[in-house]
Amino acid sequence: EIVLTQSPGTLSLSAGERATLSCRASQSVSNSYLAWYQKKPGQAPRLLIYGASSRATGIPDRFSGSGSGTDFTLTISRLEPEDFAVYYCQQYGSSPLVTFGQGTRLEIK
Amino acid sequence: QVQLQESGPGLLKPSGTLSLTCAVSGGSFSSSHWWSWVRQPPGKGLEWIGEVYHSGSTTYNPALKSRVTISLDKSKTQFSLNLSSVTAADTAVYFCARVSGWAAFDIWGQGTMVTVSS
Repeated sequence: EIVLTQSPGTLSLSAGERATLSCRASQSVSNSYLAWYQKKPGQAPRLLIYGASSRATGIPDRFSGSGSGTDFTLTISRLEPEDFAVYYCQQYGSSPLVTFGQGTRLEIK
Repeated sequence: QVQLQESGPGLLKPSGTLSLTCAVSGGSFSSSHWWSWVRQPPGKGLEWIGEVYHSGSTTYNPALKSRVTISLDKSKTQFSLNLSSVTAADTAVYFCARVSGWAAFDIWGQGTMVTVSS
């Protein structure tokens, strides 16, 4: 079973700062099928990044993804107030077919 | 654009069967997509339940496989989730979602809360 481990568990930053979130897989992720989501309370997850580094439709360019194999990063270049949320990474392709990381909570400092 | 909407009972008793439907509107349901269910227990992270292809083929999370059935109804442009022998551990917000060509969940329903309690 492939396990995704996100770090840190909680990240405390101020608006305008840069956020760097990590997602490490226990095995190599197939075809870079690695995605990132933003989740706010009472809302559905919102796809930010797919294929490890491609921004989804309508996602601001302050969000960027990088990495391959087992190590992936989501970077938010300049935090806006609406960016404070929980972020999840997700892989597709290894049994179980889909797994999510445990999430990183991005909170206002 | 494609929109998804979950529906079903919000409360059921232990040992019962959870049944939810996801209505797909605003686009082609016959296109080559997988359609999936994901859940989030209160205060916890996201858990993938399983998915169904437009052909009817299914793949399930091994942890839930013995209790899960996902099916689709093309005539009604909807797909469904059945989860049997539920316990309090199945209490969660259940989301339906579309799987994009890059194996990411690009469109989501708003989610529906299901509580298992006697």
